[in-house]
Amino acid sequence: GENVEQHPSTLSVQEGDSAVIKCTYSDSASNYFPWYKQELGKRPQLIIDIRSNVGEKKDQRIAVTLNKTAKHFSLHITETQPEDSAVYFCAASLRPMNTGFQKLVFGTGTRLLVSP
Amino acid sequence: DTEVTQTPKHLVMGMTNKKSLKCEQHMGHRAMYWYKQKAKKPPELMFVYSYEKLSINESVPSRFSPECPNSSLLNLHLHALQPEDSALYLCASSQAARLNTEAFFGQGTRLTVV
Repeated sequence: GENVEQHPSTLSVQEGDSAVIKCTYSDSASNYFPWYKQELGKRPQLIIDIRSNVGEKKDQRIAVTLNKTAKHFSLHITETQPEDSAVYFCAASLRPMNTGFQKLVFGTGTRLLVSP
Repeated sequence: DTEVTQTPKHLVMGMTNKKSLKCEQHMGHRAMYWYKQKAKKPPELMFVYSYEKLSINESVPSRFSPECPNSSLLNLHLHALQPEDSALYLCASSQAARLNTEAFFGQGTRLTVV
């Protein structure tokens, strides 16, 4: 099925704290998991992605972990800054039946607010 | 150039109007996408084009008609829309629709149907 659940829907942290956003997916064939950041009135932008052949990936203050068995993946932001405030969407790849094409199914989004 | 450019940025149209949204990329990407995003919701896929051919149509009503004139351009023709079609329409592109690679989004067209 096509379903990506994302929690929490809103997350408020103090500057310098860590933030964790979690997603679960339903299709065991999904093998690509990007995370997008969307600031108010702007386009979604990729911040990090992970493929199913690795369990963790890190890029400076941002890390993503993947548990294929449990169909969970998470975004970790350390030392949060006010400019991290935005809506974050996880996504999972899906290959519709009888096609060779990939599409992304997005989670419902998490509004992150980092207070100074 | 890692830009996906969409025009217009804003569009207000009546339910009897015909209008078109345009999208352009010069990254050599062979997959292009249309998404619809309602306020406080995630992007929802509408169409996927691969090598200028329509590859996925997510059961979108026929009042939305996509067109891919060449590998750099993607249009969305709108006709007889309803107020509930008001949303942000996002175009995106990626290297190829059969690969899992980064999708680059345009800044979107904010459409209001009156």
